[in-house]
Amino acid sequence: GDSVTQMEGPVTLSEEAFLTINCTYTATGYPSLFWYVQYPGEGLQLLLKATKADDKGSNKGFEATYRKETTSFHLEKGSVQVSDSAVYFCALSDVSPGGADGLTFGKGTHLIIQP
Amino acid sequence: GAGVSQSPSNKVTEKGKDVELRCDPISGHTALYWYRQSLGQGLEFLIYFQGNSAPDKSGLPSDRFSAERTGGSVSTLTIQRTQQEDSAVYLCASSLKHTGQPQHFGDGTRLSIL
Repeated sequence: GDSVTQMEGPVTLSEEAFLTINCTYTATGYPSLFWYVQYPGEGLQLLLKATKADDKGSNKGFEATYRKETTSFHLEKGSVQVSDSAVYFCALSDVSPGGADGLTFGKGTHLIIQP
Repeated sequence: GAGVSQSPSNKVTEKGKDVELRCDPISGHTALYWYRQSLGQGLEFLIYFQGNSAPDKSGLPSDRFSAERTGGSVSTLTIQRTQQEDSAVYLCASSLKHTGQPQHFGDGTRLSIL
């Protein structure tokens, strides 16, 4: 079956530090890949997406590139802010036969940015 | 409203009672999904609707769980004879269609079983 593996954290960084959150996946078919973010007390929000190999998703200074050869979709940001403190979820959508009907999520990475 | 709306936002009930959770998706979204978020299990997919039909109900945790969708819009998730292990946040999401489109989530219903 499909699965997503990501570092669980918590990951603690200082403001303006460089961020990488690793995400790797296994999938039956050719999935679409997503990063979702959950700020404290709020619901899940789509951060960025990529639907095919070598696509780069970007939003709010975050980027992730769909790497089919390494089955990875690592999230990066060059300079984090305190307001980026949240839980980040890597997810895939695989609607091929044998794939799940819903999103398959990683366990989430709790990111804490200190001023 | 513009987003996915869920009600109630919080529900506290006694073990053994039935509960009904409601989801109002984004207008025009044909696909609707239910998930459960709990500390031990992370985010679990429960069920998916395309229009009013749910092709596969095998993701529901037990036969105490059921879901329906009417008019291609509002969906309800019902849990009968609730147990303490049902305590979780139940999330609903919708998407324009069921092929790689991003899913948009509601704020969830936090269910607590006493």
